[in-house]
Amino acid sequence: NAGVTQTPKFRVLKTGQSMTLLCAQDMNHEYMYWYRQDPGMGLRLIHYSVGEGTTAKGEVPDGYNVSRLKKQNFLLGLESAAPSQTSVYFCASRQGHSPLHFGNGTRLTVT
Amino acid sequence: DQQVKQNSPSLSVQEGRISILNCDYTNSMFDYFLWYKKYPAEGPTFLISISSIKDKNEDGRFTVFLNKSAKHLSLHIVPSQPGDSAVYFCAASDRNSAGKSTFGDGTTLTVKP
Repeated sequence: NAGVTQTPKFRVLKTGQSMTLLCAQDMNHEYMYWYRQDPGMGLRLIHYSVGEGTTAKGEVPDGYNVSRLKKQNFLLGLESAAPSQTSVYFCASRQGHSPLHFGNGTRLTVT
Repeated sequence: DQQVKQNSPSLSVQEGRISILNCDYTNSMFDYFLWYKKYPAEGPTFLISISSIKDKNEDGRFTVFLNKSAKHLSLHIVPSQPGDSAVYFCAASDRNSAGKSTFGDGTTLTVKP
């Protein structure tokens, strides 16, 4: 049982490049979330989805887009990366009001 | 305005003693509180939770206390073990907000042998 899987684990981008972070969960969870964590700070919600085909903005959505075409996948896109987007990105899923299940993160550096 | 605050960035305790981690919140709509534990290079993992209808929840060595009037919760670990050394995040959610959780900045716990 893999739980929540994030790919890639690490990535270095140049300013202005684009990329997509993939999150996959095998627990049939309805809700999925993308958080970012910066040094010394907690997790801040970027975007979330309450079901297949739906997405909504979180606390810090600017510069990111998401898609949930399949229930098990939640994609986070950066169209034009900026140094301020250097962070560790965590995907999470849950069913109902159960606790969040997190992936192991993607460490992104934008130079 | 930070709605969930963990005012102690770090805490160091001796093995076998009690660790107490604190968390304050400002949003009175929060009705579900959780603690997550995070090791380096891993995602956070759920530790223990408490609903606003309770004031205490216990699971083995871990107990969470909730004081709604003070908008304060605490996590007690007794006895502390070196394997408990990690970053602990307090999180809060409102059941009417699609399960979105608001996190504190975390407290790094170090348990010395």
